[in-house]
Amino acid sequence: QQQVKQSPQSLIVQKGGISIINCAYENTAFDYFPWYQQFPGKGPALLIAIRPDVSEKKEGRFTISFNKSAKQFSLHIMDSQPGDSATYFCAARGGFNKFYFGSGTKLNVKP
Amino acid sequence: DAGVIQSPRHEVTEMGQEVTLRCKPISGHDYLFWYRQTMMRGLELLIYFNNNVPIDDSGMPEDRFSAKMPNASFSTLKIQPSEPRDSAVYFCASSPGVGDTQYFGPGTRLTVL
Repeated sequence: QQQVKQSPQSLIVQKGGISIINCAYENTAFDYFPWYQQFPGKGPALLIAIRPDVSEKKEGRFTISFNKSAKQFSLHIMDSQPGDSATYFCAARGGFNKFYFGSGTKLNVKP
Repeated sequence: DAGVIQSPRHEVTEMGQEVTLRCKPISGHDYLFWYRQTMMRGLELLIYFNNNVPIDDSGMPEDRFSAKMPNASFSTLKIQPSEPRDSAVYFCASSPGVGDTQYFGPGTRLTVL
């Protein structure tokens, strides 16, 4: 059973548009929610993260929106650029520092 | 710091052979994680260590898989005997403490023929 469900599986956005990736979880004990960015041939790298006591976190063009009651969180990429084309993973931290990853979203930003 | 180092970067082997993947975490990091990534199953946690001690190995798929961390600067993931369904990219990651960012290595792409 997948602990973190991510959608969509793939996403095509025009340059300058907004990319939105959604994740949902069931375990209310999760206490830290990072997003990772992965380019082909590379390992995932932390992009931005949020804790459940905050509803939104923004870093540059990247924003996490967190809805604790709905157990959902999403990544918004404003003014999407071709260089943002990558696979994005959401994750959640459970007990004993164990992380659960979503299935990934392949983003393609068209010029 | 050079980041998490994994070797080899690519491994092609035949079914039944033993495969050993290696990882050097970032110096000073207390946690080390082994993940497997496939198209079908995404990124799966196999096992992780805290201060060289295995904490959770529930993600290790079968007894054919084993992992060790003999010291703070080295870990191995061994598959014996290997099977074609083990073909995947295996990542090692380390983090300095509880809840901190995980830093991933470049991965080892394993192909079992």
